[in-house]
Amino acid sequence: DAKTTQPTSMDCAEGRAANLPCNHSTISGNEYVYWYRQIHSQGPQYIIHGLKNNETNEMASLIITEDRKSSTLILPHATLRDTAVYYCIVSRGYNNNDMRFGAGTRLTVKP
Amino acid sequence: DGGITQSPKYLFRKEGQNVTLSCEQNLNHDAMYWYRQDPGQGLRLIYYSQIVNDFQKGDIAEGYSVSREKKESFPLTVTSAQKNPTAFYLCASSTETGPKNIQYFGAGTRLSVL
Repeated sequence: DAKTTQPTSMDCAEGRAANLPCNHSTISGNEYVYWYRQIHSQGPQYIIHGLKNNETNEMASLIITEDRKSSTLILPHATLRDTAVYYCIVSRGYNNNDMRFGAGTRLTVKP
Repeated sequence: DGGITQSPKYLFRKEGQNVTLSCEQNLNHDAMYWYRQDPGQGLRLIYYSQIVNDFQKGDIAEGYSVSREKKESFPLTVTSAQKNPTAFYLCASSTETGPKNIQYFGAGTRLSVL
């Protein structure tokens, strides 16, 4: 299974876009990129996922490079409530029992 | 409201005692999962179940046991064989089909040893 590499921590100013990078250089053709976040002492929350095309929903945008070896999660207008640990996960779309939540990126949104 | 309910929120275990963490979902999901999270760490998979009366070990199953007698319920027992049980335990469920196999998580149970 593909592993992911994320920065340990990042800061972002409130109201600005938060861009969270993820490297997954060993990703294979049938593996999806998922993003979750975990606000302190709560269960993780699904944000977005994609295979090869860029994706957007009401929470965020996901930009996947053409070679699929890296991706960026974009929170367009970060708020204080977006302060959380963000996990980038690569997992097979079918029989998705092997999600690997690493240490993630701790995003701090500052006023 | 649809969702996953974990109870209790906090649990204390005495030495040599087995304790059971509850996880119930009303999302009609086939698959359910148990994860363990240690401070500052990511989640590690303990057990998962794709269907009633069937479950598989995850990465750290030693010292834990599960059952899946009903679709809605997936209780986790932390046995006395688990020598370091203090952690945050998270239960999740998913539809287990297709690429949009999103896992939905409960609020977690924090287990401590007395």
